[in-house]
Amino acid sequence: EAGVAQSPRYKIIEKRQSVAFWCNPISGHATLYWYQQILGQGPKLLIQFQNNGVVDDSQLPKDRFSAERLKGVDSTLKIQPAKLEDSAVYLCASSLEDGGADTQYFGPGTRLTVL
Amino acid sequence: LAKTTQPISMDSYEGQEVNITCSHNNIATNDYITWYQQFPSQGPRFIIQGYKTKVTNEVASLFIPADRKSSTLSLPRVSLSDTAVYYCLVGDPGTYKYIFGTGTRLKVLA
Repeated sequence: EAGVAQSPRYKIIEKRQSVAFWCNPISGHATLYWYQQILGQGPKLLIQFQNNGVVDDSQLPKDRFSAERLKGVDSTLKIQPAKLEDSAVYLCASSLEDGGADTQYFGPGTRLTVL
Repeated sequence: LAKTTQPISMDSYEGQEVNITCSHNNIATNDYITWYQQFPSQGPRFIIQGYKTKVTNEVASLFIPADRKSSTLSLPRVSLSDTAVYYCLVGDPGTYKYIFGTGTRLKVLA
């Protein structure tokens, strides 16, 4: 079974530039998550989709971050404009249903460096 | 909103049993407790999940007391490859907020 795919694996940009990350979840998984993991910290949930609807985006900095999940499959997370403090690993995860009692499967992450 | 607390780091020797405890005093009735393992430059990987009492799989055991305010991940006979960060996650389906703990950095020594 193929895992969660993410691209790119690494990205270096300058502050105020834009960047986009892509995630392809495990086939058949209804729920998709985007996490931000700053070095030395645990992952922080940014947004959760159930199929193509947003379940929770309360921790997403909406003035600069946006995310979409078209057709309930792939998802894109965008940052515009980027700030220095956005330097982190962005993890995508998926689960069959709601993750409360359901295992989340994580992708390898995208490491973003903002200069 | 359940928040978790774990020791920041632990050291152990190969072949020993390691127990990592997670505190989650405000756990809700419907919350499950899940543990993940994370190696450098990789996403977290599921280890084990439980609701109450004891759960065991091929890699670990999870002990949950009756009040569910804490849980203990037990790794039998650790090896060098178990060196990683271990996260305790409490699922909160009521508010859809899944909060990772601070993580415990386990270092296994030869």
